[in-house]
Formats: sequence, structure tokens, C-alpha cells
Amino acid sequence: KAGVTQTPRYLIKTRGQQVTLSCSPISGHRSVSWYQQTPGQGLQFLFEYFSETQRNKGNFPGRFSGRQFSNSRSEMNVSTLELGDSALYLCASSWISGGSYNEQFFGPGTRLTVL
Amino acid sequence: QQQVKQSPQSLIVQKGGISIINCAYENTAFDYFPWYQQFPGKGPALLIAIRPDVSEKKEGRFTISFNKSAKQFSLHIMDSQPGDSATYFCAASINRAGSYQLTFGKGTKLSVIP
Repeated sequence: KAGVTQTPRYLIKTRGQQVTLSCSPISGHRSVSWYQQTPGQGLQFLFEYFSETQRNKGNFPGRFSGRQFSNSRSEMNVSTLELGDSALYLCASSWISGGSYNEQFFGPGTRLTVL
Repeated sequence: QQQVKQSPQSLIVQKGGISIINCAYENTAFDYFPWYQQFPGKGPALLIAIRPDVSEKKEGRFTISFNKSAKQFSLHIMDSQPGDSATYFCAASINRAGSYQLTFGKGTKLSVIP
């Protein structure tokens, strides 16, 4: 079974631009979560999608948004990029929602650099 | 507000030694405590996890010890090997309306020297 894939792997943007990152979950997984990883703040939860609906959101400004498609693939968008948005953006998928916790499988991440 | 505190930030252990990483949490609503291992250029991978109704869980060379009253848990890596050199993150999960959100510690960079 293929793992979580994220594209692109690396991205360089300038301040003020916007960016869209893509995540394809493991086949059969319906929940997709996004995390931001930086040296200073560590791994921080951005949001989680299930069945095309955002069910949970972390403490990030509205510039960060996402969506999920009917095939469970997800995208996240960051508008009006700031230097502080430079980070590794990780996508994680799990196979079921609700009930007991299910393992989140992480992709390799997209390294975003904002100049 | 850091809800999961992890220590130490870095750890150097000799091959064959025991690596110990500690975490403490504040929110008693957390109900699942996984440990992740991350190698450079890779995403975190689940190593081992525990629920708060269990005090210890062992999988191979990896053991989690959990102290619910102290709100602390730790990872022990026995017979540490150079291949274990990686960054380790403790995490805690909370259920928000069916959505499981992971809160991570800041990570421990483990170096196992031959």
C-alpha cells in the first residue's frame, strides 16, 4: 500500500504570494490532518478534514485554509505569505474517524521557504 | 501555552546504552499518548503508543512508562543502536467532536555513538 504522498516536496515563494500544497492520503483513509513544523514552535496542528468537512482547526490565522475532495485528497492554501510561514508542512491520514484513536500516518512533508 | 513538555532537547548515548526521554502534560482530557520517530527529510513515524489506563507498554527495545497521577510519561530505548539516531517526539491526543488532534512535545534529538 502506498503511503501518504505530498506535492511538491520543496517550494520557494516570496512574501505576499500565496501557495497551495497537496496531500494524497493512504487508500481508504478518509481523515486528513495538516501540521506545521518549525524549529522554534515544533509540530503544530493546523486543521483536520473528514468527508470534505473541516472538523477541527488549530490556532492559526485565517490566511491558512484547506479543503478536502470527494476522493479524500486534500489541499492547504496559505495566502499573503509571511517570512514566518517558512516551515515543513506535514499531512497525516488515518483510516477512520470517531470512536477510539486511530494512528495518523505522516507524509514526507512539503518544505516551504518564503523569501 | 505548551501543553506537552519534553526533555531533554538532545541526548547522546553510547551504543548498547539506555536512552530515556521524558514528557509531562497538563490537560487531563488527553486520552492517547504516542511517540513518533523522525529521521531527517522524512515525516514522523509512529513508534509506540499507550492509553492512560495502562502503566507500561513494551514493544521490542522500546518501552513507554506512564504515570497518570503525575501526568508524566517516558520512552525508554534499551540497547540503543546508531540506527536509533533520530528526533523523537512525544504527543498527546484529544478527541474534539470525533476529530483526533495531536499535541506534540518539542522533540529530543538522540545521537547514539558507536
